[in-house]
Amino acid sequence: GENVEQHPSTLSVQEGDSAVIKCTYSDSASNYFPWYKQELGKRPQLIIDIRSNVGEKKDQRIAVTLNKTAKHFSLHITETQPEDSAVYFCAASGAYSGAGSYQLTFGKGTKLSVIP
Amino acid sequence: GAVVSQHPSRVICKSGTSVKIECRSLDFQATTMFWYRQFPKQSLMLMATSNEGSKATYEQGVEKDKFLINHASLTLSTLTVTSAHPEDSSFYICSARDWTSGGTVKQFFGPGTRLTVL
Repeated sequence: GENVEQHPSTLSVQEGDSAVIKCTYSDSASNYFPWYKQELGKRPQLIIDIRSNVGEKKDQRIAVTLNKTAKHFSLHITETQPEDSAVYFCAASGAYSGAGSYQLTFGKGTKLSVIP
Repeated sequence: GAVVSQHPSRVICKSGTSVKIECRSLDFQATTMFWYRQFPKQSLMLMATSNEGSKATYEQGVEKDKFLINHASLTLSTLTVTSAHPEDSSFYICSARDWTSGGTVKQFFGPGTRLTVL
């Protein structure tokens, strides 16, 4: 099955600096890579996603890059703000696999702290 | 994005009782819903895939008879934790997939249910 590794597990940055979180995946058939932000005690919220036919996607201060050859993808947050502080999870989803179709496999998460 | 609700948000029960958690897709139909369990400071662990009109698919190590899943309609899936014990205390989150207008599918999460078994 798919295995997703996420680094770092914790990340502290000064307000205004950039933050980068990296993930690798094992299944070359995976073709969908979402990123979720989870604040303490709340639901994971989809913040950005990318499909394997695209190398980069940007939405305001957030961007995701994908390297299919190396099987890794990264989340980039620029001009970080205190409200960006949360746990971020990457995930990967492969092609249809029968009863377990399109399952998301999550990384272990990165706790981002933005210091004012 | 699409809205997924979950009820109750918090439940405290005695050991040996059963607890039912509901997951609803409010503005879309979901043939497939997913149930996750999350321990403090850990990632989301998939427990089972809930399929409308058929049996759920459980992940390895998840007891089918303990975690009963029913997906009776396109907008409702339920998870029943039977004969709950303290080790079942956790944060349970459901999610559902929705096809966007762009033809892609995205997965949205419910707000979660905090279960505490005394």
